Amino acid sequence: GAGVSQSPSNKVTEKGKDVELRCDPISGHTALYWYRQSLGQGLEFLIYFQGNSAPDKSGLPSDRFSAERTGGSVSTLTIQRTQQEDSAVYLCASSLASNNEQFFGPGTRLTVL
Amino acid sequence: EDQVTQSPEALRLQEGESSSLNCSYTVSGLRGLFWYRQDPGKGPEFLFTLYSAGEEKEKERLKATLTKKESFLHITAPKPEDSATYLCAVQGPTSGTYKYIFGTGTRLKVLA
Repeated sequence: GAGVSQSPSNKVTEKGKDVELRCDPISGHTALYWYRQSLGQGLEFLIYFQGNSAPDKSGLPSDRFSAERTGGSVSTLTIQRTQQEDSAVYLCASSLASNNEQFFGPGTRLTVL
Repeated sequence: EDQVTQSPEALRLQEGESSSLNCSYTVSGLRGLFWYRQDPGKGPEFLFTLYSAGEEKEKERLKATLTKKESFLHITAPKPEDSATYLCAVQGPTSGTYKYIFGTGTRLKVLA
């Protein structure tokens, strides 16, 4: 069966440009998470969606980061006016419910020059 | 503040040399403790969930255990294909939502 997919797999952009990262969760999974993983760091929680509830945005590092989830399925993470410190792997995960194991996508490696 | 600390940061084992990885945690109201395996360039892959102290789970050469303060991932007679980064995460009700807090992982290298 299809797992979590993310696109693009790699993204190189120039400082100051906006980028959009996409996540397609496993069908039927109501919970969706975005994380950021920098070299040598643990997974940093960014944002959490659960069904039709308001998302938990408490992990977003600045107002340049935003995310949406359309129709309870596909999610897009947008980073505006990218900075070099935004360079990292962005991982998306989904789970059947908010207290179940998460299934991760392969990630998007973002490089800001 | 909820925290997860994993040790050691890195571990090199000879094939067949058993060992344990540690995950120490502080969280108010543990909902679950999760172990994941992450290979280079890939997303983490789920291994185990433990919910209460005393619980144990096994899968092939891996066995996870849980106490009130820490979890161990025991690797018995490891093989080179067990080389990966092993991540521990805890979940507890924080600010009314279900967040997962991840440790920085243990990088395991098993030599043939």
